[in-house]
Amino acid sequence: AQKVTQAQTEISVVEKEDVTLDCVYETRDTTYYLFWYKQPPSGELVFLIRRNSFDEQNEISGRYSWNFQKSTSSFNFTITASQVVDSAVYFCALSSQYGNKLVFGAGTILRVKS
Amino acid sequence: GAVVSQHPSWVICKSGTSVKIECRSLDFQATTMFWYRQFPKQSLMLMATSNEGSKATYEQGVEKDKFLINHASLTLSTLTVTSAHPEDSSFYICSARRKRSHYEQYFGPGTRLTVT
Repeated sequence: AQKVTQAQTEISVVEKEDVTLDCVYETRDTTYYLFWYKQPPSGELVFLIRRNSFDEQNEISGRYSWNFQKSTSSFNFTITASQVVDSAVYFCALSSQYGNKLVFGAGTILRVKS
Repeated sequence: GAVVSQHPSWVICKSGTSVKIECRSLDFQATTMFWYRQFPKQSLMLMATSNEGSKATYEQGVEKDKFLINHASLTLSTLTVTSAHPEDSSFYICSARRKRSHYEQYFGPGTRLTVT
């Protein structure tokens, strides 16, 4: 069975601080996909990144970066120089090669205070 | 491209009535659509997977007679909550998978259902 664990329920930081959101996953598949989504108060899910299991290269997109480590089954997300607009719930998710089901973690509430 | 819409965005209904929620892929054909449910401050839970032209596959614990799903075309899936009760109040989110795409799901904006 597939499982995603986001151990951090809620994180509060002050603007301009860096923050890392943890994600640990479990799967028996050799090919799978990992995702991060942002859910602002409006409720609409915003896609941030997709990574397949064969691509362990870290990725940076502006203030966002992702660290994928198969050895520890982790796919952590770092926001550098956080801003108030980053305040949202962040979900890590996992799907199989055939994308039949997206399994979401419990989510991490990020509060960035000015 | 890859826009998914949901209608209505919010709805209030009385206990015992039925409510239909539409999910449309606006600029692509979606062979598969997914329906998720999200309770306040909780994660998204997959309710069912619907493939165009065939019966939906429901996740364990989801009552298929209560949550009727129809995927009649490559751009439209509907979720009908029958005989709604206050405990059905939730945020319902659909997603659509593009034809020939194995992994990418595009999410709709969600529908907030309140049953009084």
